[in-house]
Amino acid sequence: QKEVEQNSGPLSVPEGAIASLNCTYSDRGSQSFFWYRQYSGKSPELIMSIYSNGDKEDGRFTAQLNKASQYVSLLIRDSQPSDSATYLCAVNTKNQAGTALIFGKGTTLSVSS
Amino acid sequence: EPEVTQTPSHQVTQMGQEVILRCVPISNHLYFYWYRQILGQKVEFLVSFYNNEISEKSEIFDDQFSVERPDGSNFTLKIRSTKLEDSAMYFCASGGTATIMNTEAFFGQGTRLTVV
Repeated sequence: QKEVEQNSGPLSVPEGAIASLNCTYSDRGSQSFFWYRQYSGKSPELIMSIYSNGDKEDGRFTAQLNKASQYVSLLIRDSQPSDSATYLCAVNTKNQAGTALIFGKGTTLSVSS
Repeated sequence: EPEVTQTPSHQVTQMGQEVILRCVPISNHLYFYWYRQILGQKVEFLVSFYNNEISEKSEIFDDQFSVERPDGSNFTLKIRSTKLEDSAMYFCASGGTATIMNTEAFFGQGTRLTVV
């Protein structure tokens, strides 16, 4: 059974702080990794994708991938109250368009002003 | 910005009835997906569709489920005889173009299906 694990939280950070969200996956052959943001009652919104080891930055977001440790993380700098949401880690184990994303349960982030 | 659109936003149906959930994927995307999320649980893959064929399906996608692309824009999920446990949020997603065949998926706003 291919699994994606996340700490459910909640992770609470003050406004302006760095939020660090973590994810581990079981299938060592996985190649594509994604972070989605999901507000309560809404659909997942793709915020980052990462395919190779190292860091990928996009604005206030940085995704980090370590395939040897089977670990993906998302850093949110200068956290804002509007970042309060559930963050879903998703993995594609086949690295092939038209195949399944396996989602973790998500980590709930709460940013206090 | 282009987006995936789904209709209806909420559907209530009686157990045993057939439902059809509709989606309009992003126009230049080639791969279409259905996912579901039971309240409080993780997002689960149901099926993917490419070139008028199912690419992959999960164990959840049994004979009660079917997908179709009836025309050039719509993509539908049919549940033939709904059960109480089919109550969930159903998300359509699309991704991949002729030039960028990656595994990103962009989600619609969802259809909340309630089976009573």
